Parts: sequence; C-alpha cells; structure tokens
Amino acid sequence: GAGVSQTPSNKVTEKGKYVELRCDPISGHTALYWYRQSLGQGPEFLIYFQGTGAADDSGLPNDRFFAVRPEGSVSTLKIQRTERGDSAVYLCASSLTGDSYNEQFFGPGTRLTVL
Amino acid sequence: AQTVTQSQPEMSVQEAETVTLSCTYDTSESNYYLFWYKQPPSRQMILVIRQEAYKQQNATENRFSVNFQKAAKSFSLKISDSQLGDTAMYFCAFMKIGNQFYFGTGTSLTVIP
Repeated sequence: GAGVSQTPSNKVTEKGKYVELRCDPISGHTALYWYRQSLGQGPEFLIYFQGTGAADDSGLPNDRFFAVRPEGSVSTLKIQRTERGDSAVYLCASSLTGDSYNEQFFGPGTRLTVL
Repeated sequence: AQTVTQSQPEMSVQEAETVTLSCTYDTSESNYYLFWYKQPPSRQMILVIRQEAYKQQNATENRFSVNFQKAAKSFSLKISDSQLGDTAMYFCAFMKIGNQFYFGTGTSLTVIP
C-alpha cells in the first residue's frame, strides 16, 4: 500500500483479555517501530524491529507486552491480561532502513480501550 | 536520559500570521537529530521538519523553519503565513543515534480564520 496501515482502528476490550494489534509497513521498509501514545502525551517508544528481529525492545513496559515480525514485513503487537492503564493509541512507523537519518512514516494508530 | 519539554500546551494564531512553538531538550549526546511532527485529528503523525545536530544552519521547509540553538538545547518551530490546515497538535522530538525517539507532550495549535 501507499502508507503504513494499522488494524483495527479502534479496539474495545475488557480487563484481563488478550489483544493483538496489527501493523502493515510500507513495502520494502526494513525497519518497523511501535509507540504508545497516552491521552495528552507524546508517543513513547516501545520496540524497534530491523527485519525479523527486535533490535531494541527496551520500551516494552512489562512482560505482558510482546511483538513479532516473523517475515520481516507485517508486525503484531500482543498484549496479555490487559489492564485499564493499557488504554492508549498504539502507533506503528516504518522506515526504509534502520539508519537514523531515514524518515519514519507513521500509521494512523489503533485506539485501544480497556474497560 | 533524554527529555523533551514543550512548555506551551495550547497556542492560537490568526490566519496568515506567524507563530513560534517552543521546545527544549536535555541530553548528553553530541550527535542526534531533532524533529517537529504534526498530528491532526486523524492521528497520523506527519513529519514537518528535521534538523541534524551537527549542522549549524537552521532547517527550512517552505513556510516552516527552525531556530536551533545547540548550546541552549533549544529547537523552536516558526510557521509563517499560517493556514487553516496547520491546525493540529505539534510534537517536538529528539532521536539519538540508534533510532529511539523521545517526544515532548505537544502543543495544540489553532489557526483562527
């Protein structure tokens, strides 16, 4: 596609449930990033993939959060035993390579609401 | 640790006028990148302008320009000839080599017709 896409655009779940959020990066982009944006805040880094491997997962808040990118394109962010504090917009971005000078292109995000 | 501070939660400007958004940051890194992103209600972050810290010349992109003061760790954004489509949240961001972004809390800009 022309840009980064994310599905679903909105997700409502109950506390304790498991959710998966999907990101389709721009075709040919080897680097992929996940961010979390809480209400009234700027995005916070979660994890960065270079190809299939997680190059930096230092932003994942705890072991309930996990992300995969098995074929080096689509990525899935997985959240187990969701808590109300997980409610946020989850943004995905991709760039041509992992070099810092490459622009990161963002998707529209998934708004997760945990009731 | 890196921090980015945007001290203006909200700003407004008349259409066709000029507005400046402030940003300061704190880092011990010597080489890094600075960015301004725009986030309209659609939520999609759009890159406005980028500055490499090793470049002394201020970046410009059409109506958008920055005032980068490395010693003061300041990186303000000037929008000239403001347009209604400029209404959005604006985030200042810092990236150290290694790709991790640090964003400020944003400034909500409203352009008044």
